[in-house]
Parts: sequence; C-alpha cells; structure tokens
Amino acid sequence: QVQLVESGGGVVQPGGSLRLSCEASGFTFSGYGMHWVRQAPGKGLEWVAFIRYDGSNKYYVDSVKGRFTISRDDSKNTLYLQMNSLRAEDTAVYYCAKWGNSALEHWGQGTLVTVSS
Amino acid sequence: EIVLTQSPDTLSLSPGERATLSCRASQSISSTYLAWYRQKPGQAPRLLIYGASSRATGIPDRFSGSGSGTDFTLTISRLEPEDFAVYYCQQYGSSPLWTFGQGTKVEV
Repeated sequence: QVQLVESGGGVVQPGGSLRLSCEASGFTFSGYGMHWVRQAPGKGLEWVAFIRYDGSNKYYVDSVKGRFTISRDDSKNTLYLQMNSLRAEDTAVYYCAKWGNSALEHWGQGTLVTVSS
Repeated sequence: EIVLTQSPDTLSLSPGERATLSCRASQSISSTYLAWYRQKPGQAPRLLIYGASSRATGIPDRFSGSGSGTDFTLTISRLEPEDFAVYYCQQYGSSPLWTFGQGTKVEV
C-alpha cells in the first residue's frame, strides 16, 4: 500500500533553514507528481508546492516563492522541501501528498516545523 | 485569485443524521478538479471525493459529492462516529494552482 513518511522537522530560528524529506513506498514514485501542504497550529490546510512526475515543472504558493525549493530523487523514492529564510508564519505541520486522480490522493502523517527564537 | 468558501463553518449534528456541506468558488472551476477531504483530530487529511462526485478507494457509499461551476456539495447520508471531523474542499487549476476551503467542522 502507499506509504509516505515525512522527516526533518524541528525547531529553527527565524532566518534559518531546514530540509524536509518524504520517503515514498508502495507505488512507482517516478510516475507521479508530488505536493507539500502545510497546516499552521489550529488552522486550515495551505498548499505549498508541487513538482511534476518528471521534475520538469515546479509550482509554489506566492508566500514561499524564492525561499522554498521542492525537489525529488527518484533513485531514493524521496521528495524534498528545502526551506530557507524561515519566518514565524512558516510554523506548521508539513505534509507530503501524492497527486493522483486529479487530487491529493495519499498523504503522509506530517512533520512539525517550528520557527521561533 | 480563486477563493473557496465553505459553509457552514460548524455543523452540529447527531450520529445517524444527514450532513450537507457546501463549497462555493469565487469563479467557475472544472468539476474534474474539485475534491473533498476529511481530517480527524491529530491525523492527516484523507481524500474522500475527487472529480466532484467520485468516491476515493475505500470510501463508503454514505459519502457523495455533487455540483458544478461554482457550487459543490458533500453529503454524508448517515453520520458515523468517525465522521465527526473537519472537511475541506480543494480545487486545482486556477491561480493559485491549488487552493483549499477554510474547512467545515462537523461536531456532535
């Protein structure tokens, strides 16, 4: 069955950097686009970034453009989110999700990022 | 920028009752790219409905989706205890490319 396992979250100071990982299994990772979605404490879902199955196109929500970079390593079945210049408002649980059936078909359990001094 | 507005914010019902959740888009969107998710407390969201009306794998038939254009509905015919959760609609296609509604909480 499809499994997505995020890691790399933690506490970081404002202006700092963090790299999140999402290890995928149970499907042909290289055949699917992948997303990052975040959820601030007590708030709703916010789409963050998407990478096409072949890595040819990447899309970001405006608030993270120029600071976050989504990437993938198909040899490791792993999705990444490099987060730089972190701000307090980036504090959230970050989920990776598989794009399928024109929806976010499968989700990981999330990893918490806290930006605080 | 397309905005999805869900109503009501909170729905107070009892087990066995019918729930009707609304999702309204600020401009017309393709039904192909309208989805619904359920998020139980402390858990990741789970896809319920894609393409406005197709149930995802393993989703029971008490869940149904309908609508087109700017107005979409998620109906839960008989609420089970695990259905008391937050529900989100989501669209793909208009800037920003993917957006979620603010959520509807279904509570006892």
